[in-house]
Amino acid sequence: DTGVSQNPRHKITKRGQNVTFRCDPISEHNRLYWYRQTLGQGPEFLTYFQNEAQLEKSRLLSDRFSAERPKGSFSTLEIQRTEQGDSAMYLCASSAGQGIGNTIYFGEGSWLTVV
Amino acid sequence: DQQVKQNSPSLSVQEGRISILNCDYTNSMFDYFLWYKKYPAEGPTFLISISSIKDKNEDGRFTVFLNKSAKHLSLHIVPSQPGDSAVYFCAARGPSGAGSYQLTFGKGTKLSVIP
Repeated sequence: DTGVSQNPRHKITKRGQNVTFRCDPISEHNRLYWYRQTLGQGPEFLTYFQNEAQLEKSRLLSDRFSAERPKGSFSTLEIQRTEQGDSAMYLCASSAGQGIGNTIYFGEGSWLTVV
Repeated sequence: DQQVKQNSPSLSVQEGRISILNCDYTNSMFDYFLWYKKYPAEGPTFLISISSIKDKNEDGRFTVFLNKSAKHLSLHIVPSQPGDSAVYFCAARGPSGAGSYQLTFGKGTKLSVIP
């Protein structure tokens, strides 16, 4: 399978706990993105990496959220002190470049439920 | 302020007929438009795209039309098949900070193709 891989696929956590999601992009894709999707909404942009550099962050990414891509390959998204409003599907995506024609491919997502 | 709008939450079409999904946008800086298909509990799957310099792109049963003056695009599926039943998201890409070209999504249209 050469697509974008995310794990865990599902996570149930108690409010206040920390959670971490991992994303493995398509190999040789140097752009990596995190999005969040809640019920009835389209995916919303969270953050973007070009290689290991985090170049853009949405205002949706509060201080409790941190994303890393230490070696320019896989990425992690950590949520500290989770709140019920963090319950959503967290989507990772990757692309080979930023020019027109460089399609952004999504993984299957990681479902987070905060109880 | 929703920059990409899909005003029809749902659409039902008979198998074999044409499905037309519509999308409107407000930001004239968007330079690339994409359609994604999404099944429940899965990530979005890329379907077809169009550059802002074109007005039509075709791929098999799928055709996307872009009317820049009206800031409107549509996805045509001909003939529609039961396997096409899914939620379809329109997404637009435009220059943003650091040239990341993040995607802005609509809320989606749920297509049901009736056998």
